[in-house]
Amino acid sequence: DAKTTQPPSMDCAEGRAANLPCNHSTISGNEYVYWYRQIHSQGPQYIIHGLKNNETNEMASLIITEDRKSSTLILPHATLRDTAVYYCIVRVGTHAGGTSYGKLTFGQGTILTVHP
Amino acid sequence: NAGVTQTPKFRVLKTGQSMTLLCAQDMNHEYMYWYRQDPGMGLRLIHYSVGEGTTAKGEVPDGYNVSRLKKQNFLLGLESAAPSQTSVYFCASSYARTGGRSNQPQHFGDGTRLSIL
Repeated sequence: DAKTTQPPSMDCAEGRAANLPCNHSTISGNEYVYWYRQIHSQGPQYIIHGLKNNETNEMASLIITEDRKSSTLILPHATLRDTAVYYCIVRVGTHAGGTSYGKLTFGQGTILTVHP
Repeated sequence: NAGVTQTPKFRVLKTGQSMTLLCAQDMNHEYMYWYRQDPGMGLRLIHYSVGEGTTAKGEVPDGYNVSRLKKQNFLLGLESAAPSQTSVYFCASSYARTGGRSNQPQHFGDGTRLSIL
């Protein structure tokens, strides 16, 4: 699975958009970009994932560059409860006969602090 | 909607004792995983299962055993606990695949905090 690079920490004002970048310059064509977050003392929470098109759900938007070497997670209106460690993970999808059955490799992530 | 439930939430063991951590999911997921999380190390995969009756080793399987006798349950066992196994243990589950490829996200429980003295 491709390696990802994220800034160690970011700040955001409550109510503003939080834009979290991720570099994955060695991503290959069959690898997806996933975002998870971990709020203190809780299990990781799935946010969103995509392959090459931009994606949006009720939690966030995912913007993937055309060359797929980087992506940005956007929390449109950050709240104090969004303070967490955010992980960008690149993972290949499994297929018949494959061996990487969904293994997720968590790096250090970005500590996002939302302040009043 | 319970999702992934882990029991117990906390446990303190003495070196050499044994115990079993239970993970239960109610989403009819085929795949289940056990991870451990240590400070500065991120999450590391211990064992996983792609279906009832099947298990496989992950990155750090030594000292652990697992069983998947029922689709909804995945058990992690420590036969002889060691201080190095002090950690937070997370269970996760996911659907297998759609359209021949799997991009299904994993859903995690809230963890079991295990201390071994």
